[in-house]
Amino acid sequence: EVQLLESGGGLVQPGGSLRLSCAASGFTFSSYGMSWVRQAPGKGLEWVSGIRGSDGSTYYADSVKGRFTISRDNSKNTLYLQMNSLRVEDMAVYYCAKGTVGATPMDVWGKGTTVTVSS
Amino acid sequence: DIVITQSPLSLPVTPGEPASISCRSSQSLLHADGYTYLDWYMQKPGQSPQLLIFMASNRASGVPDRFSGSGSGTDFTLKISRVEAEDVGVYYCMQALQTPLTFGGGTKVEIK
Repeated sequence: EVQLLESGGGLVQPGGSLRLSCAASGFTFSSYGMSWVRQAPGKGLEWVSGIRGSDGSTYYADSVKGRFTISRDNSKNTLYLQMNSLRVEDMAVYYCAKGTVGATPMDVWGKGTTVTVSS
Repeated sequence: DIVITQSPLSLPVTPGEPASISCRSSQSLLHADGYTYLDWYMQKPGQSPQLLIFMASNRASGVPDRFSGSGSGTDFTLKISRVEAEDVGVYYCMQALQTPLTFGGGTKVEIK
């Protein structure tokens, strides 16, 4: 069964850092692009970042560029999102999804991990 | 960035009746490879989003055939031929042509 399991969310003060992880199973992780998508409380979906499987190219939303870093460890079948300089507006449920820009739709999603930014 | 506009915001539906959601993009989603990169997602209450339609008109694995996607260029439509109670939730269209990927604001489908 194809599965994605996020972890690493929690409560952090403004200006703080967190690293999210997404453990993948049931498919050849290294062959697929991956994405992080977030949803603020009561709001819609916002794509945050993506990374290609083929060459590891990375992409970011303007709202997180320079503060967040996406990476992957294909030997561990794990996707990461390093989040620095966190702001109140980054507070959201963060979903990991299999797929990214182009011909790889986001066809598998994790259950999400909650990031709370508050003093 | 490509702006995606969905309508309506809310869609009350009667079970057994058809429903339709519109999605418009600020620029054509037709890629040079001939494919149109517009996807539809559904988020049931309390759940993660799930893929319904990819590349404008292709149903994802396991999606009932009462769901269909159509359109080209900048105008797209998601249709449910006969709404069922389990179809309630928020529907999003998203362009996957270029980064940043962008979603529409969502359409909340609820039973009358």
